[in-house]
Amino acid sequence: ILNVEQSPQSLHVQEGDSTNFTCSFPSSNFYALHWYRWETAKSPEALFVMTLNGDEKKKGRISATLNTKEGYSYLYIKGSQPEDSATYLCARQGSGYALNFGKGTSLLVTP
Amino acid sequence: EPEVTQTPSHQVTQMGQEVILRCVPISNHLYFYWYRQILGQKVEFLVSFYNNEISEKSEIFDDQFSVERPDGSNFTLKIRSTKLEDSAMYFCASSERGGRYGYTFGSGTRLTVV
Repeated sequence: ILNVEQSPQSLHVQEGDSTNFTCSFPSSNFYALHWYRWETAKSPEALFVMTLNGDEKKKGRISATLNTKEGYSYLYIKGSQPEDSATYLCARQGSGYALNFGKGTSLLVTP
Repeated sequence: EPEVTQTPSHQVTQMGQEVILRCVPISNHLYFYWYRQILGQKVEFLVSFYNNEISEKSEIFDDQFSVERPDGSNFTLKIRSTKLEDSAMYFCASSERGGRYGYTFGSGTRLTVV
């Protein structure tokens, strides 16, 4: 079983705070690490797909890093806004197409 | 923005009945997937489909399940003889090529087996 673990399980921050979450995954037979943003009653939305060790990707105030040797990825949100409130899922892709998801980090940003 | 569309959004069925969950993937995508999330658990991979055949499936995807692309636009998941433990949110997704740019997910079908 290829367990993908995310921490923390949930996070409550004030508007303007910066925050980060962790995703750890088995590093063997690794192809890609995906991050998705999932708002309640909507579909998960792709944020990043990273494949190379040391990869860093950025989309507005959100960025992510990847360490494939030790098997972890960080997602950072700078200056959190209420609209960032969502569940953030990471998923490991191995040699095939299947994504192995973590349980997610639920973020609540209050004004 | 292109979307993956799933119908129905909620389906209630009696144990032992067959259900068909429907999806319309993004038109220029070549790879199609079904995932599910049982309440409180992780999102789990069921099956991937490419070039009119299953390319990969999980242990969950046993003989009770089947997928089909009956025409150029629809992608369906059939669950035969539903069980209580099949109750879950079922997500369809599609991608251009193997997910390099991420997968586009639908908003899901909530299946409740009673």
